[in-house]
Amino acid sequence: GQQLNQSPQSMFIQEGEDVSMNCTSSSIFNTWLWYKQDPGEGPVLLIALYKAGELTSNGRLTAQFGITRKDSFLNISASIPSDVGIYFCAGQLRGAGNNRKLIWGLGTSLAVNP
Amino acid sequence: GAVVSQHPSRVICKSGTSVKIECRSLDFQATTMFWYRQFPKQSLMLMATSNEGSKATYEQGVEKDKFLINHASLTLSTLTVTSAHPEDSSFYICSARDRGPQHFGDGTRLSIL
Repeated sequence: GQQLNQSPQSMFIQEGEDVSMNCTSSSIFNTWLWYKQDPGEGPVLLIALYKAGELTSNGRLTAQFGITRKDSFLNISASIPSDVGIYFCAGQLRGAGNNRKLIWGLGTSLAVNP
Repeated sequence: GAVVSQHPSRVICKSGTSVKIECRSLDFQATTMFWYRQFPKQSLMLMATSNEGSKATYEQGVEKDKFLINHASLTLSTLTVTSAHPEDSSFYICSARDRGPQHFGDGTRLSIL
């Protein structure tokens, strides 16, 4: 099935550093979502974006819905050990229909060295 | 808010057994529920979408007779893996939404011996 281009695939950083990851697509999206998944658990919603250009923060996390509607980024500032996990972007295509099926990125694995 | 409960969290059973997984939205009514499968170190793979009171819509390549989905109420959907075999072993995750984004359960680790 269709997938989003998410990068980087993995990151290994020092505690306190800032992190940036992004997702791109050749298609136009109406919604961009960012989730975090810990091992053996389901994804947890971090930020939801609904308008082109929208910039939204959730604590140390900031995400933006690209102006072209084909990309989004997630920034994490001043990383801490509990930020470790896999971050997924997901988008809803324009015209996705009532079921709002999501297209998923392949994930960014984040490791934080204390 | 937006809590989704999935049960059981882990199942280990013999080949040929049918296994039922429940997904409940605890504090909202879920007009749509989704069932995903996830292999190690991979992204989520959508299996099917279900709306309350109607038949589930399966993704291409997913056998509907193998993976039976029932969405009898606005707060409960079930996935039954029929006559499970070792190749069905995986991490199954449900999600639910009303008007907003999907919220996920904690997944079910299914191991078929």
